[in-house]
Amino acid sequence: GAGVSQSPSNKVTEKGKDVELRCDPISGHTALYWYRQSLGQGLEFLIYFQGNSAPDKSGLPSDRFSAERTGGSVSTLTIQRTQQEDSAVYLCASSPSPQGPDTQYFGPGTRLTVL
Amino acid sequence: AQSVAQPEDQVNVAEGNPLTVKCTYSVSGNPYLFWYVQYPNRGLQFLLKYITGDNLVKGSYGFEAEFNKSQTSFHLKKPSALVSDSALYFCAVRDGLGGGYQKVTFGTGTKLQVIP
Repeated sequence: GAGVSQSPSNKVTEKGKDVELRCDPISGHTALYWYRQSLGQGLEFLIYFQGNSAPDKSGLPSDRFSAERTGGSVSTLTIQRTQQEDSAVYLCASSPSPQGPDTQYFGPGTRLTVL
Repeated sequence: AQSVAQPEDQVNVAEGNPLTVKCTYSVSGNPYLFWYVQYPNRGLQFLLKYITGDNLVKGSYGFEAEFNKSQTSFHLKKPSALVSDSALYFCAVRDGLGGGYQKVTFGTGTKLQVIP
């Protein structure tokens, strides 16, 4: 079946512009995660959604970052007034449920470059 | 707070030799442990996980990992490395204490280079 998809695959923007990154999780997966992968930094947790529950936003690095998940499916990560340090690969993952040790299924990522 | 450490940024091994990628963790309760692999220009893929039961867990592509509670380790191993195993490997941990949502914490990754 279809996996997690993300768009765009690459995004180049100028400092100060806003960007939107999209994630389509696997159908039926209730949990959705956003991570950031910077060169040499590993995976940094950003935000987590589970059904209609309040999202866990504890990983968002600043108030310039926000995310929403519409209808329990597609999610959009928005970065306002982008800075050069925002340059990274943004990964989305979904899992059937956060209850228990479910495997996360990752999308291919969006590579964001802020000039 | 939970944490996971991958002490080696890079591991080099000759093709055909056994490989080990190290991981140690810290959680309050019993750990759920995972290994993921990221091949060049591809997304992260699940390799294996430990929940409970046998300490030796077998996963995809001939990989296995050994859970050692006393050493709080979950090292990834393979008896004979292939050049195609060259990739970035991530260890992850989730606290199994209690129910409900628990965040997964990923390590910083270890780059495995298999030399022909």
